[in-house]
Amino acid sequence: EVQLVESGGGLVQPGGSLRLSCAASGFTFSTYWMSWVRQAPGKGLEWVANIKEDGTKRYYVDSVKGRFSVSRDNAENSLYLQMNSLRVEDTAVYYCARLAARQALVYWGQGTLVTVSS
Amino acid sequence: QSVLTQPPSVSAAPGQKVTISCSGGTSNIGNNYISWYQQLPGTAPKLLIYDNNKRPSGIPDRFSGSKSGTSATLGITGLQTGDEADYYCGTWDSSLSSGVFGGGTKLTVL
Repeated sequence: EVQLVESGGGLVQPGGSLRLSCAASGFTFSTYWMSWVRQAPGKGLEWVANIKEDGTKRYYVDSVKGRFSVSRDNAENSLYLQMNSLRVEDTAVYYCARLAARQALVYWGQGTLVTVSS
Repeated sequence: QSVLTQPPSVSAAPGQKVTISCSGGTSNIGNNYISWYQQLPGTAPKLLIYDNNKRPSGIPDRFSGSKSGTSATLGITGLQTGDEADYYCGTWDSSLSSGVFGGGTKLTVL
C-alpha cells in the first residue's frame, strides 16, 4: 500500500525557516517524480514544486522561487521541502504527492499545516 | 487568480447529472493532459480522472472526463449526497514550467 506521511509543519514567524519531510513507503520511491502542493485555509490548491526521480530537475511556482528548495533522499525514501524567508501568505496545508506520467498526482499524503504568523 | 478557470459552484439533485468546466490556454490544457481531483471536506484531494478521460482503479464510471481544445469537462452522473465535495482540474503549464490548478468548484447535491 502506497503511503506518504508529511511532517515538520508548525508555527513560524515571518522571515523564518522550516523544513518539511515526506516519508514514502509501499512503492519504489526512486523511480517516481514527486511534488509538493499547498492549500491555504479555505482556498484552492496550489502546485508548489516538482522534483525528478534522481533529483536532477526541479520546478517551482513563481511565488516560491528563490525561497523554497525541494530535495529528496532516495536511500531514505524521503522527500523534503526547505522553506526560507517565509511569508504570512505561505500559511497553508502542505501535501506531498506522487506524480505519474503527464502530471497526474496519483497518491497524496494527509498534509502538514504551516502557519506563518508573528 | 488561477491559471485555469472553473465555476465556483454547481448544484443538482440526487440522481441527476452535472458537468464542471475547466478553461485554460494553449500552454496548459491545449497542449497537456488534464487531471481532475475530488476533495471531500477535511481530507486530502483524490485523483478522479487522469490523461483527460481515464479513471484510476476504484473510481466508478459515474465520473467521466473530456477535453476539447483549451477546455476540459468533468461529468458526474447519478449524483449522490456523498459526491458533495470540491473538484479541481489540474495540468502542466509549459510556459510557466509549473503545475497549475483551477480555482475549484464546490458541488452541492440538493
